[in-house]
Amino acid sequence: KAGVTQTPRYLIKTRGQQVTLSCSPISGHRSVSWYQQTPGQGLQFLFEYFSETQRNKGNFPGRFSGRQFSNSRSEMNVSTLELGDSALYLCASSAGPATDTQYFGPGTRLTVL
Amino acid sequence: DAKTTQPTSMDCAEGRAANLPCNHSTISGNEYVYWYRQIHSQGPQYIIHGLKNNETNEMASLIITEDRKSSTLILPHATLRDTAVYYCIVSNTGTASKLTFGTGTRLQVTL
Repeated sequence: KAGVTQTPRYLIKTRGQQVTLSCSPISGHRSVSWYQQTPGQGLQFLFEYFSETQRNKGNFPGRFSGRQFSNSRSEMNVSTLELGDSALYLCASSAGPATDTQYFGPGTRLTVL
Repeated sequence: DAKTTQPTSMDCAEGRAANLPCNHSTISGNEYVYWYRQIHSQGPQYIIHGLKNNETNEMASLIITEDRKSSTLILPHATLRDTAVYYCIVSNTGTASKLTFGTGTRLQVTL
């Protein structure tokens, strides 16, 4: 099976812009979670989606949002970008919600200038 | 989710076994122990997980103490490609998929 894919792999934006990142889970997986990784804060949970519904949300401002489509693909959006949003954004998929091992994609490296 | 404590860094000679310890003294009965690793700037890679019994797969072995308060990940024959940050995570997968990552152990495998 193909693994989790994320696009784009690298992205450069400027402050105030918005960005959309995409994640395609492993075939057959229906749960998608998003994480942010920065040198200062480490890996932090953003949110989780299952069957197009957000099931769990981390402690991030409302500028961070996401959605999941009927084919389980997911997108996350960050509006009004800040310098501190520069990070590696990771997507993980699992077969079901809260029941199975999560498998991570390669991540999207976002740089905000 | 229970908190975990891992050494900040460890070294291992190539070809030798790497034993990575993890303390999770506040683990509750329905929490699993997961191990992931992250090679520089890549996504975390799942290694192994267990509840009570020791587990082994093609990558590693997981030894969980009888009281479940600590565990050890064993890479039987470490190679240079095993150099990575190893995360021990305790998670109640019955309620949420959220994984809480700590700072992990940076394993350096040397010639």
